[in-house]
Amino acid sequence: DAGVIQSPRHEVTEMGQEVTLRCKPISGHDYLFWYRQTMMRGLELLIYFNNNVPIDDSGMPEDRFSAKMPNASFSTLKIQPSEPRDSAVYFCASSLGAGWNEQYFGPGTRLTVT
Amino acid sequence: GIQVEQSPPDLILQEGANSTLRCNFSDSVNNLQWFHQNPWGQLINLFYIPSGTKQNGRLSATTVATERYSLLYISSSQTTDSGVYFCAVVDYGGSQGNLIFGKGTKLSVKP
Repeated sequence: DAGVIQSPRHEVTEMGQEVTLRCKPISGHDYLFWYRQTMMRGLELLIYFNNNVPIDDSGMPEDRFSAKMPNASFSTLKIQPSEPRDSAVYFCASSLGAGWNEQYFGPGTRLTVT
Repeated sequence: GIQVEQSPPDLILQEGANSTLRCNFSDSVNNLQWFHQNPWGQLINLFYIPSGTKQNGRLSATTVATERYSLLYISSSQTTDSGVYFCAVVDYGGSQGNLIFGKGTKLSVKP
């Protein structure tokens, strides 16, 4: 398997623009997680899905952030409008059978908002 | 919520040296994983080890769940081992699965 795939790998955008990050989980995995990594807060969960259904979105910072999983092989994280404080690395991860089983991470998307 | 503490925060080694990284957690866990974040930012799975001992080449890990700690051993370190090592756990009594990460141990291996 190719592992978790994320795109784009790098994104530079101006404040106020819409940003869409994409993730393809490992085939067959039924849990998908979005994490964010910043210097100040480290790695933290934003939202996770089980069988395409959002289970816990308590980590989503505010209404500007939204996530969808229209099918088992694709998820998006959208920021609209983006702000400089959203600059971070966004990771997608997936696991099989339960969230506490081993999670596998994608390469991340480095987002810079100027 | 559960707390995850890693020590030491920084570690500098000469190539060939051995090291032990520690992860303490404040409550029972369903999952414990060790990751290596390389200089390019990728998170590499090292071990899935909620309990017991595992070995993979020069790396090994031990988790003593009853005493709420895990250790990562690196033997005969190489410059390619440099990066940040994270311990992450899933709270046994918490949600279904989100990982709670420690702040990491930054390892620098000098040639």
